[in-house]
Amino acid sequence: DVKVTQSSRYLVKRTGEKVFLECVQDMDHENMFWYRQDPGLGLRLIYFSYDVKMKEKGDIPEGYSVSREKKERFSLILESASTNQTSMYLCASRPGGYNEQFFGPGTRLTVL
Amino acid sequence: SQQGEEDPQALSIQEGENATMNCSYKTSINNLQWYRQNSGRGLVHLILIRSNEREKHSGRLRVTLDTSKKSSSLLITASRAADTASYFCATDANDDYKLSFGAGTTVTVRA
Repeated sequence: DVKVTQSSRYLVKRTGEKVFLECVQDMDHENMFWYRQDPGLGLRLIYFSYDVKMKEKGDIPEGYSVSREKKERFSLILESASTNQTSMYLCASRPGGYNEQFFGPGTRLTVL
Repeated sequence: SQQGEEDPQALSIQEGENATMNCSYKTSINNLQWYRQNSGRGLVHLILIRSNEREKHSGRLRVTLDTSKKSSSLLITASRAADTASYFCATDANDDYKLSFGAGTTVTVRA
C-alpha cells in the first residue's frame, strides 16, 4: 500500500515563527503536492513538485515556500507564520501520468 | 484554481437510501476522479473515470460522466452510517498533472 505520512497531526505555532511541515511518501512517486483546506473553500493548491529540486507555484503560494531535496520528501515552509495561515494542510503524491493521487492524513495548524 | 463544482453542498439521508451528488466542470479533461474525506482526515481515492468512459462501478459506487455536458455524478447505493463523509470530485486536465478539486458535498447518513 502506498503510504504518505505527515510529520504532525496537530501543530500550534506563534505569529512570526518559521514553520516546517514535512511529508514523506514511500512509493517512488514523481509528483508531490501541498494543499490547504478551509471550510467552504475546498482544497487549494499551494505548491507542487514534479521532480527532485523542481517546484511550481500553485494557486496560493504567497507566504509559503517548499523544498524537495529527495524524491520521497516534500517540505512546506511558512517563513513567518500568520494567523490567516491557520488551516488544515494536506500533502499528496502521485505517480507520473494521469493517475490517482494519494493523500497524507493532514496537519491541522493553528497560528496564535 | 477550482474547476469542479459539486452539487448539492450537503445531503442528509436515511441508512439504506441512495445518495446522489453531481459535479460540473469547465474545461476538457483526461479523467475525473472522486475522493472521500472522513472528518479531520486526508482524502481517499474512490474511483477514476476516463474521458472516453461513460459509466463505471466499484462496489456500491456508480459514477457517470457526460463530457458533452461537462458533468459527472456519483451514486452511493444502500448507504451506511460509515458513508458519512465529504465527497470531492477532481478533474485532470489534458495539459498538466495537477488535479483541480471542487468544494465537496457533505453527506450525512442517519441511522
